[in-house]
Amino acid sequence: GQSLEQPSEVTAVEGAIVQINCTYQTSGFYGLSWYQQHDGGAPTFLSYNALDGLEETGRFSSFLSRSDSYGYLLLQELQMKDSASYFCAVRDDTNAGKSTFGDGTTLTVKP
Amino acid sequence: DTAVSQTPKYLVTQMGNDKSIKCEQNLGHDTMYWYKQDSKKFLKIMFSYNNKELIINETVPNRFSPKSPDKAHLNLHINSLELGDSAVYFCASSQETGAGEAQYFGPGTRLTVL
Repeated sequence: GQSLEQPSEVTAVEGAIVQINCTYQTSGFYGLSWYQQHDGGAPTFLSYNALDGLEETGRFSSFLSRSDSYGYLLLQELQMKDSASYFCAVRDDTNAGKSTFGDGTTLTVKP
Repeated sequence: DTAVSQTPKYLVTQMGNDKSIKCEQNLGHDTMYWYKQDSKKFLKIMFSYNNKELIINETVPNRFSPKSPDKAHLNLHINSLELGDSAVYFCASSQETGAGEAQYFGPGTRLTVL
């Protein structure tokens, strides 16, 4: 089976940098994704890592270490609009590519 | 142009009723999903279809029955609704190319069972 752990809540101030960690235990691993969800909205895809290393997309970066079963989402130059829930998701390479989502991290950005 | 659409957006119904939620994607994706998100925001996969074929069927009561008439549509029918079925149901789709997976979610259907 799959299990993922990420912090339930993170608070930071505008302009700061925040890192949201995700550790996982899986029976099969294909890649790690990150999704953002604003209150009342739908999850939206942010990034995907299949290989070790850092992927950068604008203010957001995502990192993966397969050997450590660990990844993180790095948000830079935080803005108020970044206040949302962030989910890591592991894609299984043994079960029809099923994605299992973590319980989500609520990020609150304060002025 | 909506990529993944769901109807209805809100659904309020009584226990014991039967209801359906419809989903359509115009992205040309091969795979579609149903997720349930409860009040604690836990997002759990329920079903997945690839080219109209069921490929993932999680431990979901058999009161829930998905149907995919074609690869652009995935509907969810729920029989004998229970209080615990109250949640937001999201439809999603993805193109299974193998390298980099992005699932595109619909706006969600908020189901309230009274």
